[in-house]
Amino acid sequence: QSVLTQPPSASGTPGQRVTISCSGSSSNIGNNFMYWYQQFPGTAPKLLIYRSNQRPSGVPDRFSGSKSGTSASLAIRGLRSEDEANYYCSSWDDSLSGWVFGGGTKLTVL
Amino acid sequence: EVQLVESGGGLVQPGGSLRLSCAVSGFTFSDHSMDWVRQAPGKGLDWVGHIRHKGNSNSTKYAASVRGRFSISRDDSKNSLYLQMNSLKTEDTAVYYCARGLYDYVWGDYRPRGMDVWGQGTTVIVSS
Repeated sequence: QSVLTQPPSASGTPGQRVTISCSGSSSNIGNNFMYWYQQFPGTAPKLLIYRSNQRPSGVPDRFSGSKSGTSASLAIRGLRSEDEANYYCSSWDDSLSGWVFGGGTKLTVL
Repeated sequence: EVQLVESGGGLVQPGGSLRLSCAVSGFTFSDHSMDWVRQAPGKGLDWVGHIRHKGNSNSTKYAASVRGRFSISRDDSKNSLYLQMNSLKTEDTAVYYCARGLYDYVWGDYRPRGMDVWGQGTTVIVSS
């Protein structure tokens, strides 16, 4: 049982806009930044969004993050086949004094 | 080029010990905090713990599931990070990743800010 809650799956067709939600509590998302990681099968995770809405260099601006209260979301516009991957949300949890993750969302591009 | 390379994984019996290493290059290791994150087969990401940079006394924090059994250390002179795992359980079976931890200070308090570079992982299997 993950501390952060994500839908297990999401899907869209090429060119569509897709959003992945993540919900938590006041001890994590509500009081800290949100982070999103992208992971392809058999490879290491990659930082996609940091500080809730910032993109590391090299991440396309098709990816965007937002946060409101104890929830956050990752949006992908102009969906492409290469976006098919697993996406994890994460936040620091002040009560646990550690990083917590969502269970991951498998994105399928139809 | 920033690079993190884990090693030391393998098959170990329940109750046994294993020491993982993470060799770092391409950045000033001593200035950075470092994290360990694991992923059980077919499961999501699970934070193991981290060690802060020397400016924060190399202090460590651990997930409750490994506290008292796992220990994180670092050797800045060797640009290396370590994870000593004792009293291993079958549920510790996972791919273990080391990652560079970002941070800043807010009103003097250390605040973790995500993990921006990850190694390729090393596999630990705990089984009899």
